[in-house]
Amino acid sequence: AQTVTQSQPEMSVQEAETVTLSCTYDTSESDYYLFWYKQPPSRQMILVIRQEAYKQQNATENRFSVNFQKAAKSFSLKISDSQLGDAAMYFCAYMEYGNKLVFGAGTILRVKS
Amino acid sequence: GAVVSQHPSWVICKSGTSVKIECRSLDFQATTMFWYRQFPKQSLMLMATSNEGSKATYEQGVEKDKFLINHASLTLSTLTVTSAHPEDSSFYICSARGVLAAAYEQYFGPGTRLTVT
Repeated sequence: AQTVTQSQPEMSVQEAETVTLSCTYDTSESDYYLFWYKQPPSRQMILVIRQEAYKQQNATENRFSVNFQKAAKSFSLKISDSQLGDAAMYFCAYMEYGNKLVFGAGTILRVKS
Repeated sequence: GAVVSQHPSWVICKSGTSVKIECRSLDFQATTMFWYRQFPKQSLMLMATSNEGSKATYEQGVEKDKFLINHASLTLSTLTVTSAHPEDSSFYICSARGVLAAAYEQYFGPGTRLTVT
């Protein structure tokens, strides 16, 4: 079964600084999707960024970017210019085409002013 | 677009009673809906996948007789927790995938907090 590992239970970052959240996954498939979701205190799941495994180029969405290393099965999220509103639980997730999402354990991100 | 609602947002029930949670896709038709359970400060665990008009597919370890899922229309799926007990207290989240959606698309509802006393 596919597994997703987030080894950082908690991370802290100073406002305006950059932080990187780590994620590794295990799969024998070659085609799949990877995601980062944000869950703020409201608990509404918000899609931050998506990466298709067949694309070599790393996905970017404004201040959020990923470092996708397919051979290493690594998928880290970099948040630049951190803002107070970035404070949340972040989940890394894996999906095979048309299949279910498998989530990591999550990383709590705290942003210090 | 792509809004998913859940009702109620918070429900308290007594041990032994049943409670129903609704998940609706408001502006699209959802062929597939997913039900997750989340304990405080933990990850989302998929409970079951439901396809409109079909029986739900439950994940290993999830009691299908306790967590009844119905997906009778393209905009509504319900999760009924039967004979609820305090250990069923949790946050339940649904998500939906549209008829014409890409394979990766999945939209989440705001969740329902269930407290069993």
